[in-house]
Amino acid sequence: EAQVTQNPRYLITVTGKKLTVTCSQNMNHEYMSWYRQDPGLGLRQIYYSMNVEATDKGDVPEGYKVSRKEKRNFPLILESPSPNQTSLYFCASSLSPHGNQPQHFGDGTRLSIL
Amino acid sequence: GENVEQHPSTLSVQEGDSAVIKCTYSDSASNYFPWYKQELGKGPQLIIDIRSNVGEKKDQRIAVTLNKTAKHFSLHITETQPEDSAVYFCAASGGSYIPTFGRGTSLIVHP
Repeated sequence: EAQVTQNPRYLITVTGKKLTVTCSQNMNHEYMSWYRQDPGLGLRQIYYSMNVEATDKGDVPEGYKVSRKEKRNFPLILESPSPNQTSLYFCASSLSPHGNQPQHFGDGTRLSIL
Repeated sequence: GENVEQHPSTLSVQEGDSAVIKCTYSDSASNYFPWYKQELGKGPQLIIDIRSNVGEKKDQRIAVTLNKTAKHFSLHITETQPEDSAVYFCAASGGSYIPTFGRGTSLIVHP
């Protein structure tokens, strides 16, 4: 089954404790991205990757890091999480990097930073 | 950059009625306009999309229209059912690698 898998689904942690949210897709997609979803603000892109070793900032990259060492994986790293990063996070993948193909989303990771 | 406005933010209808959600965009270079449905506890899922060389597209009870001149596109759901209750997002992309999403519409279909 074609899917995007995120882990963990839920995480409560404390300010300053490094965390990683993993994302994996099994569709051989080139394009992957991370979004955060906040009430009233919709989906905002954090980082995207057009292929292995090619990453770039989205609209709200501050406080986040990503890496793309393999085509299928695109982890999101919060090196020193802060309460304003409490949010619902989605990973997505797409066949084409050119922004004109549908995106496949994971089921989300709810992060609470205390 | 691209700016996408989506209205209304909440839409409440009776089962069987039609529902219309509207979006406007700012970047005339945008050429791909998908609609996503997000159910509780799930990620957004594509339900229909339209490209700039097409004015209308239909898939059973769902249709999307695009007016490039006015830079707006709309989602139409006919004969709504309770399982249509969800949050719907429009998006615009193509002008850059970063798709821009609307803020979402919470559709409630009352039985």
